[in-house]
Amino acid sequence: AIQMTQSPSSLSASVGDRVSITCRASQAIRNELGWYQQKPGQAPKLLIYAATYLQSGVPSRFRGSGSGTYFTLTISGLQPEDFATYYCLQDFNYPRTFGRGTKVEVK
Amino acid sequence: EVQLVESGGTLVQPGASLRLSCAASGSTFSDYWMTWLRQAPGKGLEWVANIKEDGSHINYVDSVKGRFTIFRDNARKSLYLDMNSLRDEDTAVYYCARDTSPYCNSTTCYDALDIWGRGTLVTVSS
Repeated sequence: AIQMTQSPSSLSASVGDRVSITCRASQAIRNELGWYQQKPGQAPKLLIYAATYLQSGVPSRFRGSGSGTYFTLTISGLQPEDFATYYCLQDFNYPRTFGRGTKVEVK
Repeated sequence: EVQLVESGGTLVQPGASLRLSCAASGSTFSDYWMTWLRQAPGKGLEWVANIKEDGSHINYVDSVKGRFTIFRDNARKSLYLDMNSLRDEDTAVYYCARDTSPYCNSTTCYDALDIWGRGTLVTVSS
Protein backbone atom coordinates (compact mmCIF):
# COMPACT_ATOMS: atom_id res chain seq x y z
CA ALA A 1 0.00 0.00 0.00
CA ILE A 2 1.13 3.54 -0.70
CA GLN A 3 2.20 5.37 2.43
CA MET A 4 1.22 9.00 2.80
CA THR A 5 3.52 10.91 5.15
CA GLN A 6 1.80 14.06 6.31
CA SER A 7 3.49 16.88 8.20
CA PRO A 8 3.38 18.52 10.58
CA SER A 9 1.13 16.48 12.83
CA SER A 10 -0.01 19.70 14.43
CA LEU A 11 0.61 23.41 14.18
CA SER A 12 -0.41 26.53 16.06
CA ALA A 13 -1.48 29.59 14.14
CA SER A 14 -3.41 32.82 14.46
CA VAL A 15 -6.31 34.20 12.48
CA GLY A 16 -4.94 35.77 9.31
CA ASP A 17 -1.85 33.55 9.14
CA ARG A 18 -0.80 31.57 6.12
CA VAL A 19 -0.28 27.87 6.89
CA SER A 20 0.99 25.01 4.81
CA ILE A 21 0.58 21.27 5.24
CA THR A 22 2.48 18.72 3.21
CA CYS A 23 1.93 15.14 2.16
CA ARG A 24 4.59 12.95 0.67
CA ALA A 25 3.68 9.73 -1.10
CA SER A 26 5.89 6.64 -0.94
CA GLN A 27 5.61 6.34 -4.72
CA ALA A 28 4.51 8.64 -7.51
CA ILE A 29 0.76 9.14 -7.63
CA ARG A 30 0.59 11.69 -10.44
CA ASN A 31 -1.89 14.25 -9.13
CA GLU A 32 -4.39 11.78 -7.73
CA LEU A 33 -4.75 13.29 -4.28
CA GLY A 34 -7.43 15.00 -2.30
CA TRP A 35 -7.51 17.10 0.86
CA TYR A 36 -10.20 16.83 3.52
CA GLN A 37 -11.08 18.93 6.54
CA GLN A 38 -12.57 17.46 9.69
CA LYS A 39 -13.92 19.31 12.70
CA PRO A 40 -14.55 17.59 16.05
CA GLY A 41 -17.66 15.44 16.02
CA GLN A 42 -18.24 15.97 12.31
CA ALA A 43 -17.69 14.00 9.15
CA PRO A 44 -14.80 15.00 6.92
CA LYS A 45 -15.40 17.52 4.18
CA LEU A 46 -13.82 17.54 0.73
CA LEU A 47 -11.70 20.62 0.04
CA ILE A 48 -9.46 19.79 -2.91
CA TYR A 49 -9.45 17.02 -5.53
CA ALA A 50 -6.96 16.10 -8.25
CA ALA A 51 -4.32 17.85 -6.13
CA THR A 52 -5.24 21.38 -7.22
CA TYR A 53 -8.97 21.64 -7.96
CA LEU A 54 -11.12 23.45 -5.42
CA GLN A 55 -14.37 21.69 -4.51
CA SER A 56 -17.47 23.77 -5.18
CA GLY A 57 -18.32 26.03 -2.28
CA VAL A 58 -14.87 25.89 -0.68
CA PRO A 59 -13.31 29.31 -0.11
CA SER A 60 -10.50 30.35 -2.42
CA ARG A 61 -8.10 30.81 0.51
CA PHE A 62 -7.57 27.04 0.28
CA ARG A 63 -5.09 26.04 -2.39
CA GLY A 64 -3.62 22.69 -3.33
CA SER A 65 -0.40 22.15 -5.21
CA GLY A 66 2.02 19.42 -6.14
CA SER A 67 2.22 16.26 -8.20
CA GLY A 68 4.17 13.02 -8.21
CA THR A 69 5.19 12.45 -4.61
CA TYR A 70 5.00 15.87 -2.96
CA PHE A 71 1.82 17.82 -2.24
CA THR A 72 0.90 20.90 -0.27
CA LEU A 73 -2.29 22.37 1.12
CA THR A 74 -1.99 26.09 1.79
CA ILE A 75 -4.51 28.19 3.67
CA SER A 76 -4.00 31.90 3.07
CA GLY A 77 -5.55 34.13 5.66
CA LEU A 78 -6.64 31.60 8.26
CA GLN A 79 -10.20 32.12 9.47
CA PRO A 80 -11.71 31.03 12.82
CA GLU A 81 -13.68 28.28 11.10
CA ASP A 82 -10.46 26.80 9.65
CA PHE A 83 -9.20 25.44 12.96
CA ALA A 84 -9.64 21.75 12.31
CA THR A 85 -7.77 18.60 11.31
CA TYR A 86 -6.73 18.14 7.70
CA TYR A 87 -6.06 14.88 5.88
CA CYS A 88 -4.66 14.00 2.49
CA LEU A 89 -5.96 10.94 0.63
CA GLN A 90 -4.37 9.27 -2.37
CA ASP A 91 -6.72 7.86 -4.99
CA PHE A 92 -4.04 6.58 -7.33
CA ASN A 93 -4.53 2.95 -6.42
CA TYR A 94 -6.07 0.54 -3.92
CA PRO A 95 -6.22 0.48 -1.04
CA ARG A 96 -6.76 4.20 -0.80
CA THR A 97 -4.59 5.62 1.99
CA PHE A 98 -4.78 8.72 4.13
CA GLY A 99 -2.09 10.79 5.74
CA ARG A 100 -2.16 10.74 9.53
CA GLY A 101 -3.65 14.21 9.74
CA THR A 102 -2.58 17.71 10.71
CA LYS A 103 -4.36 19.49 13.53
CA VAL A 104 -4.45 23.24 13.09
CA GLU A 105 -4.82 24.84 16.50
CA VAL A 106 -5.20 28.36 17.83
CA LYS A 107 -1.93 29.92 18.91
CA GLU B 1 -29.82 17.90 -1.35
CA VAL B 2 -27.97 14.61 -1.19
CA GLN B 3 -27.86 12.95 2.21
CA LEU B 4 -26.29 9.76 3.52
CA VAL B 5 -27.38 8.26 6.82
CA GLU B 6 -25.54 5.37 8.43
CA SER B 7 -27.09 2.99 10.94
CA GLY B 8 -26.44 -0.31 12.65
CA GLY B 9 -23.56 0.58 14.91
CA THR B 10 -23.63 -0.85 18.41
CA LEU B 11 -21.59 -2.61 21.09
CA VAL B 12 -20.63 -6.19 20.25
CA GLN B 13 -18.25 -8.78 21.63
CA PRO B 14 -15.09 -9.89 19.83
CA GLY B 15 -15.90 -12.51 17.21
CA ALA B 16 -19.41 -11.23 16.64
CA SER B 17 -21.02 -10.14 13.37
CA LEU B 18 -22.74 -6.91 12.50
CA ARG B 19 -24.35 -5.29 9.47
CA LEU B 20 -24.07 -1.56 8.83
CA SER B 21 -26.39 0.28 6.48
CA CYS B 22 -26.15 3.56 4.63
CA ALA B 23 -29.33 5.07 3.22
CA ALA B 24 -29.09 7.65 0.45
CA SER B 25 -31.61 10.28 -0.47
CA GLY B 26 -31.82 13.09 -2.96
CA SER B 27 -29.69 11.73 -5.76
CA THR B 28 -29.36 8.93 -8.28
CA PHE B 29 -27.63 6.46 -5.97
CA SER B 30 -26.95 3.97 -8.74
CA ASP B 31 -24.77 6.44 -10.67
CA TYR B 32 -21.96 6.45 -8.13
CA TRP B 33 -19.32 4.27 -6.58
CA MET B 34 -19.79 4.16 -2.82
CA THR B 35 -17.20 3.87 -0.07
CA TRP B 36 -16.96 2.83 3.58
CA LEU B 37 -14.36 4.46 5.80
CA ARG B 38 -13.71 4.36 9.51
CA GLN B 39 -12.08 6.32 12.29
CA ALA B 40 -10.99 4.73 15.55
CA PRO B 41 -11.52 6.90 18.65
CA GLY B 42 -9.01 9.75 18.66
CA LYS B 43 -7.29 8.42 15.53
CA GLY B 44 -7.10 9.24 11.85
CA LEU B 45 -9.21 8.17 8.92
CA GLU B 46 -8.95 4.75 7.30
CA TRP B 47 -10.41 3.77 3.94
CA VAL B 48 -12.16 0.38 4.26
CA ALA B 49 -13.85 -0.62 1.00
CA ASN B 50 -15.63 0.61 -2.07
CA ILE B 51 -18.05 -0.73 -4.64
CA LYS B 52 -18.79 0.15 -8.25
CA GLU B 53 -22.15 1.53 -9.33
CA ASP B 54 -23.50 -1.88 -10.37
CA GLY B 55 -21.65 -3.88 -7.72
CA SER B 56 -19.36 -5.53 -10.28
CA HIS B 57 -16.10 -4.25 -8.80
CA ILE B 58 -15.16 -4.19 -5.13
CA ASN B 59 -11.98 -3.23 -3.29
CA TYR B 60 -10.99 -3.76 0.36
CA VAL B 61 -8.19 -2.75 2.67
CA ASP B 62 -6.13 -5.81 3.62
CA SER B 63 -7.10 -5.70 7.30
CA VAL B 64 -10.75 -6.49 6.54
CA LYS B 65 -10.41 -8.83 3.56
CA GLY B 66 -12.21 -12.10 4.21
CA ARG B 67 -14.08 -10.64 7.20
CA PHE B 68 -16.04 -7.69 5.76
CA THR B 69 -18.35 -7.66 2.74
CA ILE B 70 -19.55 -4.50 1.03
CA PHE B 71 -22.68 -4.66 -1.10
CA ARG B 72 -25.45 -2.41 -2.30
CA ASP B 73 -29.11 -2.43 -3.22
CA ASN B 74 -29.69 0.26 -5.82
CA ALA B 75 -33.47 -0.17 -5.75
CA ARG B 76 -33.41 0.67 -2.04
CA LYS B 77 -30.68 3.34 -2.49
CA SER B 78 -28.72 1.59 0.23
CA LEU B 79 -25.15 0.55 0.87
CA TYR B 80 -24.21 -2.15 3.35
CA LEU B 81 -21.20 -3.48 5.18
CA ASP B 82 -21.37 -6.97 6.64
CA MET B 83 -18.71 -7.36 9.31
CA ASN B 84 -17.75 -10.79 10.66
CA SER B 85 -15.17 -11.99 13.18
CA LEU B 86 -15.02 -8.53 14.69
CA ARG B 87 -11.91 -7.57 16.62
CA ASP B 88 -11.16 -4.92 19.21
CA GLU B 89 -9.28 -2.96 16.55
CA ASP B 90 -12.44 -2.67 14.43
CA THR B 91 -13.84 -0.27 17.03
CA ALA B 92 -14.48 2.96 15.16
CA VAL B 93 -16.97 5.37 13.74
CA TYR B 94 -17.90 4.03 10.32
CA TYR B 95 -18.71 6.50 7.56
CA CYS B 96 -20.20 5.94 4.15
CA ALA B 97 -19.30 8.37 1.40
CA ARG B 98 -20.21 9.01 -2.21
CA ASP B 99 -17.29 8.45 -4.55
CA THR B 100 -17.51 10.79 -7.50
CA SER B 101 -15.28 11.82 -10.40
CA PRO B 102 -15.55 15.59 -10.53
CA TYR B 103 -12.84 15.97 -13.16
CA CYS B 104 -11.67 13.85 -16.08
CA ASN B 105 -8.98 14.58 -18.62
CA SER B 106 -8.09 12.57 -21.71
CA THR B 107 -6.51 9.76 -19.69
CA THR B 108 -7.78 9.82 -16.09
CA CYS B 109 -10.88 10.47 -14.05
CA TYR B 110 -10.02 11.86 -10.64
CA ASP B 111 -11.93 10.54 -7.64
CA ALA B 112 -13.24 12.45 -4.67
CA LEU B 113 -15.39 11.60 -1.67
CA ASP B 114 -17.77 14.50 -1.94
CA ILE B 115 -20.70 13.50 0.28
CA TRP B 116 -20.29 11.85 3.69
CA GLY B 117 -22.72 10.56 6.24
CA ARG B 118 -22.41 11.47 9.91
CA GLY B 119 -21.18 8.03 10.87
CA THR B 120 -22.24 5.17 13.12
CA LEU B 121 -20.19 3.92 16.08
CA VAL B 122 -19.16 0.30 16.29
CA THR B 123 -17.63 -0.79 19.59
CA VAL B 124 -16.05 -4.22 19.86
CA SER B 125 -15.38 -5.11 23.46
CA SER B 126 -15.88 -7.93 25.92
